[in-house]
Order: sequence, then structure tokens, then C-alpha cells
Amino acid sequence: EAGVAQSPRYKIIEKRQSVAFWCNPISGHATLYWYQQILGQGPKLLIQFQNNGVVDDSQLPKDRFSAERLKGVDSTLKIQPAKLEDSAVYLCASSLASGGPQETQYFGPGTRLLVL
Amino acid sequence: AQRVTQPEKLLSVFKGAPVELKCNYSYSGSPELFWYVQYSRQRLQLLLRHISRESIKGFTADLNKGETSFHLKKPFAQEEDSAMYYCALHTNAGKSTFGDGTTLTVKP
Repeated sequence: EAGVAQSPRYKIIEKRQSVAFWCNPISGHATLYWYQQILGQGPKLLIQFQNNGVVDDSQLPKDRFSAERLKGVDSTLKIQPAKLEDSAVYLCASSLASGGPQETQYFGPGTRLLVL
Repeated sequence: AQRVTQPEKLLSVFKGAPVELKCNYSYSGSPELFWYVQYSRQRLQLLLRHISRESIKGFTADLNKGETSFHLKKPFAQEEDSAMYYCALHTNAGKSTFGDGTTLTVKP
């Protein structure tokens, strides 16, 4: 089966600019996750969707970050305006069903963002 | 709030030697614990999870609730085991918390 797809793979922007990332989960997967991974750290969950509803966005900096999953399939994550500390790899993952604790998450290749 | 700690950023062993990657967690509920691995230029992938009680690529991990640990072990390390390893905790509320990872290098 095709894996989780993400684009772009790399992005360089200046601070205060806007940027958007796209994720296409594995077909049929109901739950989609966005993680931020800063260099030298583990992935940090930003937002979790089940179908097109938000399950958890407690760690999403809502003053500048937004995410949507229209039609319960693809998702976009946007940063507006970007700050230097947003430089990181943004990972998308999906899981088959409810996103329960026992489910395996399948990760995309990530988008590497550099904010100058 | 839950927390996952991997005390070793870097771990280096010789081929054929035993290896143990440490993971400690804090969580007030009943945790589901996982080990994920990222090989060079590949995406993050599941290695094993405690509920399955399985051995994958010779690796095992035992959940010790008394010590709140989930250490990953392999009796004889191979060069292809060189990778970044992440311990993760998933809660019933659906929240996932990852440790900061351990880079394992297996020397020939």
C-alpha cells in the first residue's frame, strides 16, 4: 500500500512569511496526526484529527498555526506568520481507526522547514 | 501530564555485543508504550509495542510498571541496527508523547 505522502519536502522562508504543508494519509485511515520535530528532540504532537474532526489540539500554537482536514482525507497545516523557532521537521502520520492508544501510527517523510 | 525520558542521546556498541536503550516514563494512567525506529534517510516507523509482547529484529522490550520503564534490548547487536530510536507513550485520551531519542551506533 502507498504510504503517507507529504509535500513539500523542504521549505525555506523568511520570518513573518506564511507557509503551508500538505499531507495525504494512507487510504482508509481515519486518524491523522501532525507533529513538530525540532532538531535534537522527539516529535511533539500538534494536532490530531479523527475523520474531519479535531480530537486534540492542545499543543497547537493557535495564534499562528492552523490545520484543517476537509472531507476527512487530506490535511493542510499552515503557519502565519512564521517565527525563527518554527524551524523544524513537520511530520504527518495516520492510523487506521479511532487513534486509540494501541494503534500503530504510520509516518510520512516529513517537511523540513527553515525560517531565516 | 505524561513524560517520556530517554537518558542516553548517544549509544555506541560493537557488533555482537548486547545493547540496551533506556526509556522511563511518567503517566498516572495505564500506558501503552512503543518503540519507533528511524534508519538513515528513511521515515519513522514502528519497531515494537509492549502490548504485542513480540520480538522484532531480535529486539524485545518489557514494561516494568514498578520502575516505570520500557527498556529496549537486543542480545547481539548488528551493524544494521544503527539508527535513531524513539520511545513513545500513547494514552487512552489519544495523546502521544515521544522521548527525545537515542542514536545507536553499532561498530564493526
